[in-house]
Amino acid sequence: DSGVTQTPKHLITATGQRVTLRCSPRSGDLSVYWYQQSLDQGLQFLIQYYNGEERAKGNILERFSAQQFPDLHSELNLSSLELGDSALYFCASSGRANTGELFFGEGSRLTVL
Amino acid sequence: GIQVEQSPPDLILQEGANSTLRCNFSDSVNNLQWFHQNPWGQLINLFYIPSGTKQNGRLSATTVATERYSLLYISSSQTTDSGVYFCAVDSGAGGFKTIFGAGTRLFVKA
Repeated sequence: DSGVTQTPKHLITATGQRVTLRCSPRSGDLSVYWYQQSLDQGLQFLIQYYNGEERAKGNILERFSAQQFPDLHSELNLSSLELGDSALYFCASSGRANTGELFFGEGSRLTVL
Repeated sequence: GIQVEQSPPDLILQEGANSTLRCNFSDSVNNLQWFHQNPWGQLINLFYIPSGTKQNGRLSATTVATERYSLLYISSSQTTDSGVYFCAVDSGAGGFKTIFGAGTRLFVKA
């Protein structure tokens, strides 16, 4: 158990809909990262937050947005969903030793029908 | 941006065999990690190894930062080692922004 909690584990929805994925980092970690893994693909970095502020941004679509709240949990919002958004979405946290070492949650598997 | 290349892309081993996975990166990095993604999709930390050598049971890793590569050794492979092995590096640009290689898909036959 990495200590990073993601909900929901599985989500099935329709095209055009909006979903919210939630992540609670390890206790004491200030950074949260979001990654997308499409079928048989590698992990694509989406966005990073540090202590509530956006720190780095990757190839995140404009239809996607994220935020980190004062209690350090984070949410990834996906809107106007398309079939191609079906993927495994991972959250990771880091920060205790400020090394950038990442610890991943179990992921949220999104299926868009 | 930084490029991360892993080789081989696919590997099939007989149980008990040894293997070496390689990760090359195109620029200097602040840190490097190896992960194992099991068949259920879980990403498991193997090593945090920006430089030097570490060992954990049947697994060991070496990073030579000056030559921009890292190696992951798996000895006496077991069927439970099957899955995808990812190398991930932090380029350090604009804060931590860890980039993953495409992975090595390993299948260990009983």
